[in-house]
Amino acid sequence: GQNIDQPTEMTATEGAIVQINCTYQTSGFNGLFWYQQHAGEAPTFLSYNVLDGLEEKGRFSSFLSRSKGYSYLLLKELQMKDSASYLCAVRDPLGNDYKLSFGAGTTVTVRA
Amino acid sequence: GAGVSQSPSNKVTEKGKDVELRCDPISGHTALYWYRQRLGQGLEFLIYFQGNSAPDKSGLPSDRFSAERTGESVSTLTIQRTQQEDSAVYLCASSGPWPAKNIQYFGAGTRLSVL
Repeated sequence: GQNIDQPTEMTATEGAIVQINCTYQTSGFNGLFWYQQHAGEAPTFLSYNVLDGLEEKGRFSSFLSRSKGYSYLLLKELQMKDSASYLCAVRDPLGNDYKLSFGAGTTVTVRA
Repeated sequence: GAGVSQSPSNKVTEKGKDVELRCDPISGHTALYWYRQRLGQGLEFLIYFQGNSAPDKSGLPSDRFSAERTGESVSTLTIQRTQQEDSAVYLCASSGPWPAKNIQYFGAGTRLSVL
């Protein structure tokens, strides 16, 4: 099984930067995903990391360190619409590459 | 369709009743997944369908839960004799062939409330 930890809540000011950390403990690893979920809506794909390093995509970046079992999602130039839950998910390493194990999500509140 | 569609969006039922939840995946997506999202908890894998292969039912919490899928189209998740602990949002996702097969696309979910 997987143990995936991320903070429950974070608050930041519009225009600022927020970093959401995710740590995982697994017997193996086959990729890490970040999803954004607005209240009452579908989770939407943000990023996928399988190799170490930083992946940048506009205002959002995702980092992975496999040796540390650690990832973060960086949100820059925060906007009010970024208020949402951010889900970290690890792909099952036991051959069933389709199965994702999710953390409980981090609720980010952006204040004016 | 343009995205994954789930119905109903909300379902209120009485304890002991059966419910059926429906998922329409993205056209052309061969893989379909069901997850359960309880308040304050992460998404919990329930079942996975891939084409005509036997489904992976390893995440179903009890024999009251079952799911079907016809070919690469609609899937239904059935919960029999519902219990209050079944109250949750049930999310469906689908994924397509390589190179996009890593990415699961989710529907908005069905919010189930068991009274």
